[in-house]
Amino acid sequence: NAGVTQTPKFQVLKTGQSMTLQCAQDMNHNSMYWYRQDPGMGLRLIYYSASEGTTDKGEVPNGYNVSRLNKREFSLRLESAAPSQTSVYFCASSVPGHLQETQYFGPGTRLLVL
Amino acid sequence: DQQVKQNSPSLSVQEGRISILNCDYTNSMFDYFLWYKKYPAEGPTFLISISSIKDKNEDGRFTVFLNKSAKHLSLHIVPSQPGDSAVYFCAATDSWGKLQFGAGTQVVVTP
Repeated sequence: NAGVTQTPKFQVLKTGQSMTLQCAQDMNHNSMYWYRQDPGMGLRLIYYSASEGTTDKGEVPNGYNVSRLNKREFSLRLESAAPSQTSVYFCASSVPGHLQETQYFGPGTRLLVL
Repeated sequence: DQQVKQNSPSLSVQEGRISILNCDYTNSMFDYFLWYKKYPAEGPTFLISISSIKDKNEDGRFTVFLNKSAKHLSLHIVPSQPGDSAVYFCAATDSWGKLQFGAGTQVVVTP
């Protein structure tokens, strides 16, 4: 039981390049989330998916797109990376439906945009 | 506009003593509060939570206290151990909302 996995662990991009961050969970959770963590800011929600086939914007969605590929996988895409998107990105999942439920986090992807 | 604030970015405590972490919130609609613990190069892990209908929840060495009138919660760790050295995030949510996280407090437990 791997829990929540994220790839890659670390990535360097040039301004304007695109990339997709991958996330998968094997806990049969319905809800999945993408956060970014910046110094002094805590974790901020980018997008979430309450269930397969649905996605919604979080607090800081600009510059990102998401795809809920199936129940297990939730990807985050940066179409044209900017230095302001340098951050650590965490994917999380939670038990069916209710956003108050405990969220389980992946190990994170550290992204540097030059 | 941060609705959950952890005003102490760091805390140093001796092994065996009590660690007290504080968290304040501004949104009176928050009704569920959580603490997460994070080690370097790992994702946050759930530690303990409390519903707004309670004022205390205890789990082993960890106790969370909620003061709704002051919009304040605290996490007590007794006794503190070296493995408790980590960043602790306070989080809050309303009934169908999303988690709002504080900026975190770095705890260092010294021998």
